[in-house]
Amino acid sequence: GNSVTQMEGPVTLSEEAFLTINCTYTATGYPSLFWYVQYPGEGLQLLLKATKADDKGSNKGFEATYRKETTSFHLEKGSVQVSDSAVYFCALSVDADGLTFGKGTHLIIQP
Amino acid sequence: GAGVSQSPSNKVTEKGKDVELRCDPISGHTALYWYRQSLGQGLEFLIYFQGNSAPDKSGLPSDRFSAERTGGSVSTLTIQRTQQEDSAVYLCASRPFSSTDTQYFGPGTRLTVL
Repeated sequence: GNSVTQMEGPVTLSEEAFLTINCTYTATGYPSLFWYVQYPGEGLQLLLKATKADDKGSNKGFEATYRKETTSFHLEKGSVQVSDSAVYFCALSVDADGLTFGKGTHLIIQP
Repeated sequence: GAGVSQSPSNKVTEKGKDVELRCDPISGHTALYWYRQSLGQGLEFLIYFQGNSAPDKSGLPSDRFSAERTGGSVSTLTIQRTQQEDSAVYLCASRPFSSTDTQYFGPGTRLTVL
């Protein structure tokens, strides 16, 4: 079956720090990979995605590269802001089936 | 344009009652998904509709759960004889036919079973 593993946190950083949230996966078939974000009191939003090996997804200063050899899709941002505080979910989908999500990483950015 | 909408936003029910949750997908989207989000289990896929094809029900946790999609648009998720472990946020997502990957989520329905 399919599965996604990510650090659960909470992860607490100071503003302007460098962020990495690790995500690894197992999949039957060739998955597309996603990062979704859930801000406090809001719904799930797509942050970025990559659909094939070595693709880099990017949005709002966040980046993640699809690494097939290490089955990973780590999320990075060079300088985080207080407004980035949220829960981040790594996910995969094979052939547009239902998404398989990681447990979510709660990120807290302190001023 | 309008996003995915869900109703009600909150539902409190008593154990053993049936509940219906509604999802209105983005106009023109051909695929519709249901998920649930709970503290213990995280985000779980429940069921997937694509056009007129038979739905993928592989994520439904028991036969108390069912869903239908009428006219290729609105969907209703029904939970019969609710149990306390059914308490969760139920999320709906839709996807346009032209995009094989990106799902757009609604705000969810928070279900509390007393």
